[in-house]
Formats: sequence, structure tokens, C-alpha cells
Amino acid sequence: SQQGEEDPQALSIQEGENATMNCSYKTSINNLQWYRQNSGRGLVHLILIRSNEREKHSGRLRVTLDTSKKSSSLLITASRAADTASYFCATPRGSARQLTFGSGTQLTVLP
Amino acid sequence: EAGVAQSPRYKIIEKRQSVAFWCNPISGHATLYWYQQILGQGPKLLIQFQNNGVVDDSQLPKDRFSAERLKGVDSTLKIQPAKLEDSAVYLCASSSVAGGLNEQFFGPGTRLTVL
Repeated sequence: SQQGEEDPQALSIQEGENATMNCSYKTSINNLQWYRQNSGRGLVHLILIRSNEREKHSGRLRVTLDTSKKSSSLLITASRAADTASYFCATPRGSARQLTFGSGTQLTVLP
Repeated sequence: EAGVAQSPRYKIIEKRQSVAFWCNPISGHATLYWYQQILGQGPKLLIQFQNNGVVDDSQLPKDRFSAERLKGVDSTLKIQPAKLEDSAVYLCASSSVAGGLNEQFFGPGTRLTVL
């Protein structure tokens, strides 16, 4: 079963707008990671936030983590057409801390 | 730094045939993963290696899937015989730290179509 689930499943915005994606998970974690996948390509790691962190920034990306609500959000500011991709949250679980991915949010940024 | 290499990039086979995928991780990464990504879903871990030992293969369909990582570097994933539901992208990833405690680096994947 999926550990993390992203919301919404699909999001379409105009270039320059902000995009917000949410991730909910079920069990306690020590970190949460966001990945991006462009059409037909592999996944690229965007950002990792640890359980003792509430917010983290990387360029135009802002990630928040609320462990009490078991949720995280990814904000992309001033979006560009090149941001069009699927975004996945992933959390470690199990004895070997296997990374478990959600189903992703498909973001489309219109020029 | 060279990334994770995978080959082939695309493969089309008929059901009941066999297929093999190859992965070369980032140099020095002890941990290697194979994921299956079905269209519209997130990647699902099939097997995790630490050096040449298997850490977790609980989601690997062992009646038809096998994987090895001889010498703790390159890895191959084999499907024999293939079924229609095996159509997916097979992603290889590597990391310097085992498990999900650190970021993983993914290859471009092999897109398998089973007819």
C-alpha cells in the first residue's frame, strides 16, 4: 500500500503563478522527500525535510512538514513551463527504511 | 559525476518471453534499488541491494523476477516469463546511504512493453 498520497492528482496553472501540492502519510517518519519526474525521464530528488524541521527552502521551492497532521506541502513559486512534471512525495518505512512513493501530482504550467 | 546508467531504454517483447535490464550505479554507491513504475502510479520498490547482498526483496515476484548484483557494482533484473501486467518502466537507483535516510539518484529507466 502507498505510504504517501499526493493531492491534487492533477494541477494546471499559468506561468508565473504559484503551485501548491500536498502529501499525506500514515506512519511516523524520520524524513520526507519530494521528487520530480519529467515526461519519459527518471526521478530527480528535489528536497528532503527531516522530522524535526517544519520548513525548508531551496530556490523557488518551499516545503513544509506537519508531523502532528502527518502532512507535507510543496510550494513552487513563480512557476515556469519547465516545471511541468509529476511530483512525488516519498517516505522511508519498514525495517530497511525503504522509500515508499505516493501516486504523484501531475503539474502543468501553461505558457 | 556520471549518473546512474540503464540499458536498454526501451524493450518490446511478447508475453512468455524473457527480458533482462542492466544498471550501473553511481561510483561508490553501495546501495542499489530496482523499482517498477506502472503508468500513472509512483515507483514501487522491487529489490534493494547493499553491496552484493539483498536487503529487501519482499515485493519482488520471485516466481518470475530475479535480480543479482555480482561484485557489488552493476546489477541485472530479469523477468522470465513476462506477463502483460509487467508492462511498466523499470527504474534503477543508487544511494550512498542505505534505505530512505538520504536522497536516491535515479537512472532514466527502461520502458518495457509486453504484448
